[in-house]
Amino acid sequence: SQQGEEDPQALSIQEGENATMNCSYKTSINNLQWYRQNSGRGLVHLILIRSNEREKHSGRLRVTLDTSKKSSSLLITASRAADTASYFCATGEDTGRRALTFGSGTRLQVQP
Amino acid sequence: DSGVTQTPKHLITATGQRVTLRCSPRSGDLSVYWYQQSLDQGLQFLIQYYNGEERAKGNILERFSAQQFPDLHSELNLSSLELGDSALYFCASSPSPTGWDGYTFGSGTRLTVV
Repeated sequence: SQQGEEDPQALSIQEGENATMNCSYKTSINNLQWYRQNSGRGLVHLILIRSNEREKHSGRLRVTLDTSKKSSSLLITASRAADTASYFCATGEDTGRRALTFGSGTRLQVQP
Repeated sequence: DSGVTQTPKHLITATGQRVTLRCSPRSGDLSVYWYQQSLDQGLQFLIQYYNGEERAKGNILERFSAQQFPDLHSELNLSSLELGDSALYFCASSPSPTGWDGYTFGSGTRLTVV
């Protein structure tokens, strides 16, 4: 079963708007990562946030992490049509003995 | 080009057959991970190798097996194929055994079992 559950499953917005995706997980983690997948292609690593960090920025991406609630959010600001993709969170469980566990993903559609 | 090479890109085969998927990790990466992505199951972890040794096992069926060779490339063998094995199979690599530094994914092999 997937540790990470993402919300919403699908999101449709207009170009220029902000997109927010949420991820919840169950176990203790060392870090949480976000990936993007364009239709049928390989996943691309976007950003990593460690368990002792609360917020991280990279360009138009902002990630927050709340370990007390076991949740994270990914904000894409000023979205573009090219941001249309599926976004997955992945957790690195803190013992390091398991591979990353991926969430079910959020499908983002940005309308031009 | 991510640096992770997967072959073949597409594979169509009949039920009961056996196929081999190949993955070359990004230069310098010692860990190789195999994931299966299907519409109803999401991205499922199958197995991980680190520097030639099996390190972690996920939901890999007994009909599936994998190995990592001395040159660090890996192969995933799928046998006695069933219709339900149709999926995208991804290989990813990372420098570390934990993957805490992030994965680099290949473009995947789309397997269709007919």
